[in-house]
Amino acid sequence: EAGVVQSPRYKIIEKKQPVAFWCNPISGHNTLYWYLQNLGQGPELLIRYENEEAVDDSQLPKDRFSAERLKGVDSTLKIQPAELGDSAVYLCASSLEAGTPQYFGAGTRLSVL
Amino acid sequence: GIQVEQSPPDLILQEGANSTLRCNFSDSVNNLQWFHQNPWGQLINLFYIPSGTKQNGRLSATTVATERYSLLYISSSQTTDSGVYFCAVGSRTAGGTSYGKLTFGQGTILTVHP
Repeated sequence: EAGVVQSPRYKIIEKKQPVAFWCNPISGHNTLYWYLQNLGQGPELLIRYENEEAVDDSQLPKDRFSAERLKGVDSTLKIQPAELGDSAVYLCASSLEAGTPQYFGAGTRLSVL
Repeated sequence: GIQVEQSPPDLILQEGANSTLRCNFSDSVNNLQWFHQNPWGQLINLFYIPSGTKQNGRLSATTVATERYSLLYISSSQTTDSGVYFCAVGSRTAGGTSYGKLTFGQGTILTVHP
């Protein structure tokens, strides 16, 4: 069975440009998560979806970040405009439901110049 | 929110040695996972262990939920075990419904020399 798929793996952009990341969760997983991992630290939750509903987005900087999960499957995380401090790895994870094991994708490494 | 502390922060071993990694957490949990982040950044699931003991090959883990800690044991370490080991926990709300969010520790950086 395929794991969590993310694309692109790497992205280099100039500051103030927009960028988008895509995630395809494990088939049948209702819960989808976006995490941010800064260098030398553990991942931190940005947003959690139960099916197509965002149920925890308290850590998402809503002035520049947005996310959607259409039809409760794939998800897109967008940053507009990107800032230098957004350089990090963006990880997507999924689980059958909240509280069950989470499985992570390979991440998107973003560099903002 | 819940606090997660991992120790030691760094660990250097010779191939074949055994090691124990510790994870302390500050509140009741309904989810505890151990991950290995390889040099390419992939988080690999090792254990889902909110309580009890599990073993998988050379790795085993024990969580004592009442005392709020978990241990990861690596026996006969190999160079491929190198990387960062994360403990991550999910806490319950006061009503008993899982938040779903995992809170990660800072990780233990393991280096195994041949």
